[in-house]
Amino acid sequence: AQSVTQPDIHITVSEGASLELRCNYSYGATPYLFWYVQSPGQGLQLLLKYFSGDTLVQGIKGFEAEFKRSQSSFNLRKPSVHWSDAAEYFCAVGAGGGNKLTFGTGTQLKVEL
Amino acid sequence: DGGITQSPKYLFRKEGQNVTLSCEQNLNHDAMYWYRQDPGQGLRLIYYSQIVNDFQKGDIAEGYSVSREKKESFPLTVTSAQKNPTAFYLCASSIDLQGPHNEQFFGPGTRLTVL
Repeated sequence: AQSVTQPDIHITVSEGASLELRCNYSYGATPYLFWYVQSPGQGLQLLLKYFSGDTLVQGIKGFEAEFKRSQSSFNLRKPSVHWSDAAEYFCAVGAGGGNKLTFGTGTQLKVEL
Repeated sequence: DGGITQSPKYLFRKEGQNVTLSCEQNLNHDAMYWYRQDPGQGLRLIYYSQIVNDFQKGDIAEGYSVSREKKESFPLTVTSAQKNPTAFYLCASSIDLQGPHNEQFFGPGTRLTVL
């Protein structure tokens, strides 16, 4: 079965600084990978996804993520963080074949003005 | 607009009472899911359904029940057997569970508080 780890529970960055949120997965074959964002008291919104092809994927709100098979990682990046990016971010991995998604425990992002 | 609706947004329940949370989708998705979210614990899967009239237990099904009589609807009942039901509940759907089709779309959530 697949699994996903988000090593950072909380991250604080200054507005305008760059951001990288880490995500490591465990799965034998090529996984389907997702990043979601959740604002307080809201549902989850998909930021971006990787299925195949180009390992650098672009998402909404200026986010991007890079799939690195050798490191079993799918880290989320943004070159310049805005105060409105403060939220909780979830990485998820899917294996297909009738398997549901597995979510990480989330990373809470705080943005200092 | 296509999407997932959950109602009510806030729900209060007395101890010992059953309560049902509504989830409706108009995305024509086959698969639907219920998650529970507690601070610091991420999303925990309660139940999921791949098709009408069929559903499977997730990781924390005890004290919960579901039905899937219609494709669009997947209500969750929190029973009095659930020892700590106060939480934020999220409903989601996906085209199905095959490959990229298991990308999930989420509703806005229901916050349940037991008084």
